[in-house]
Amino acid sequence: NAGVTQTPKFQVLKTGQSMTLQCAQDMNHEYMSWYRQDPGMGLRLIHYSVGAGITDQGEVPNGYNVSRSTTEDFPLRLLSAAPSQTSVYFCASSYGGIEFFGSGTQLSVL
Amino acid sequence: GQQLNQSPQSMFIQEGEDVSMNCTSSSIFNTWLWYKQDPGEGPVLLIALYKAGELTSNGRLTAQFGITRKDSFLNISASIPSDVGIYFCAGQREDGGSQGNLIFGKGTKLSVKP
Repeated sequence: NAGVTQTPKFQVLKTGQSMTLQCAQDMNHEYMSWYRQDPGMGLRLIHYSVGAGITDQGEVPNGYNVSRSTTEDFPLRLLSAAPSQTSVYFCASSYGGIEFFGSGTQLSVL
Repeated sequence: GQQLNQSPQSMFIQEGEDVSMNCTSSSIFNTWLWYKQDPGEGPVLLIALYKAGELTSNGRLTAQFGITRKDSFLNISASIPSDVGIYFCAGQREDGGSQGNLIFGKGTKLSVKP
């Protein structure tokens, strides 16, 4: 049972480039979310989804897009990367109010 | 923004010592969770609390859901080197604030001297 799988583990982008962070879960959880973690800031919610076809904004959604076409997958898109998006990104799926996290993607935007 | 105050921000202790950390809020929570994050990994759930006054243990870890429902505490007894990491509290507000999503504290970074 893999749980929540994130790819890639590391990524370096140039300002203005686009990319998609992948997230997949095999626990059949309806609820999935994306967080970013910055030093001294804890975990901040970017976007979340309560089920396939439904997404909503979290605390820091600007500069990010999401979609949820299946229960399993919840990709996060950066359309035009900015240095302020340098961070560690975590995908999570949730059941019973408990978040289960992936191992993260460390993103650097130069 | 975040509404949880977690303290201390960091701790540097001797192996074998006990550790205490806490989270407080001005809002009432109906769930408190404690997570641990190892370097390079995602947070992993340690303890979940669902009722005011609840005291729950997981090995050397003990957490409590405060009576006022506005705070929670985590204690680690007889710390060992593998306790190193960042500990996060998280909670769900009773009033459905933050769209019912979990709110996270900023973390307590624990370092242990052998």
